[in-house]
Amino acid sequence: QVQLVQSGAEVKKPGASVKVSCKASGYTFTSYDINWVRQATGQGLEWMGWMNPNSGNTGYAQKFQGRVTMTRNTSISTAYMELSSLRSEDTAVYYCARAPSIRDAFDIWGQGTMVTVSS
Amino acid sequence: SYVLTQPPSVSVAPGKTARITCGGNNIGSKSVHWYQQKPGQAPVLVIYYDSDRPSGIPERFSGSNSGNTATLTISRVEAGDEADYYCQVWDSSSDHQVFGTGTKVTVL
Repeated sequence: QVQLVQSGAEVKKPGASVKVSCKASGYTFTSYDINWVRQATGQGLEWMGWMNPNSGNTGYAQKFQGRVTMTRNTSISTAYMELSSLRSEDTAVYYCARAPSIRDAFDIWGQGTMVTVSS
Repeated sequence: SYVLTQPPSVSVAPGKTARITCGGNNIGSKSVHWYQQKPGQAPVLVIYYDSDRPSGIPERFSGSNSGNTATLTISRVEAGDEADYYCQVWDSSSDHQVFGTGTKVTVL
């Protein structure tokens, strides 16, 4: 079945970087954009950016410009989101989600990856 | 930046109708998507392009969009519909996806 499976929980110190993976299966990886969305505990959904796995083109939310990098490895149908210069406010669950194109709805979501930033 | 405003909470009795609004400047000119999120779970798409339902989503879920307000309607509400609901649009002026503030639906 179509699914996105994310990597496990991470604990990082302030100032460090984290790289979360999102492995796609059940569909052609390069045919759908991958978006990244995060959610702090008890808070709403926050869009971070998107990547086209076919071209590698990306678009980042202004809030994360300069701190986030989205990449992919098409040979293993996996997308990655790396966030640098971590601070406590980055503690959240990070989701990947696919969409047919940049304007479309996110029809399949990963299970989420908890990232905790703590000294 | 584009802002989507939702009521923080909506309460509804079983079997009744819940209406969740999503307000935004001229939102009727945009395509609105809706997600349901239950505690500890990832969001699930329930309505896309204002009023279309993905396969597997009950017909009790419907959507509309006009003027400055989009609405998600849940008819014949069941206990299992208790969740947070988020609207979403693509803002072409900023090339950003935007999520609404979220609405917690409580089934009485």
